[in-house]
Amino acid sequence: DAGVIQSPRHEVTEMGQEVTLRCKPISGHNSLFWYRQTMMRGLELLIYFNNNVPIDDSGMPEDRFSAKMPNASFSTLKIQPSEPRDSAVYFCASRSGLNEQFFGPGTRLTVL
Amino acid sequence: AQSVTQPDIHITVSEGASLELRCNYSYGATPYLFWYVQSPGQGLQLLLKYFSGDTLVQGIKGFEAEFKRSQSSFNLRKPSVHWSDAAEYFCAVGPSGNTGKLIFGQGTTLQVKP
Repeated sequence: DAGVIQSPRHEVTEMGQEVTLRCKPISGHNSLFWYRQTMMRGLELLIYFNNNVPIDDSGMPEDRFSAKMPNASFSTLKIQPSEPRDSAVYFCASRSGLNEQFFGPGTRLTVL
Repeated sequence: AQSVTQPDIHITVSEGASLELRCNYSYGATPYLFWYVQSPGQGLQLLLKYFSGDTLVQGIKGFEAEFKRSQSSFNLRKPSVHWSDAAEYFCAVGPSGNTGKLIFGQGTTLQVKP
């Protein structure tokens, strides 16, 4: 089992550019979560999907953020346009049923 | 409101000493409780979880935690700390219904002295 896969692992971009983060959940898991981690705010849940359907996006900071899950094996988190305050580590996690969440290695985003 | 509090932001212990990391939660129903560990530059790894049953749960890497409903606590313990245990530790609580949201504490950074 390869675990949750995220790409890229590191992303450096300039303010105003579009950023797309990608996640492949563990096969067979039916829930997927996007988190953001910063020193100031700790771990924040941005959005989660159940069976590819967004269930709760109340953590998405603003309209510049969007997430999709077109199928059970792929999800994207997009920021357009990006701003320096979006710099953080973004984690994807997946879960099967009521079991624990398995986290990916994260994408470290730096917006200059 | 649902919340998780980890009172200690930073803890330093000597290698071989015992460890206890505190976690208190506020939750209106029966909680699911988790401890995760995050090494530098890595994602979060589950150490242990409590759903129901025996209130003392064993995890990986020699860790254990005890659920105390009367104190709304789920403290993490290890009898003898190894240098490789230096990391950040997160306590989390989840709803007992069929939803996925976890509420995380702010984390405790553990430093291990040789």
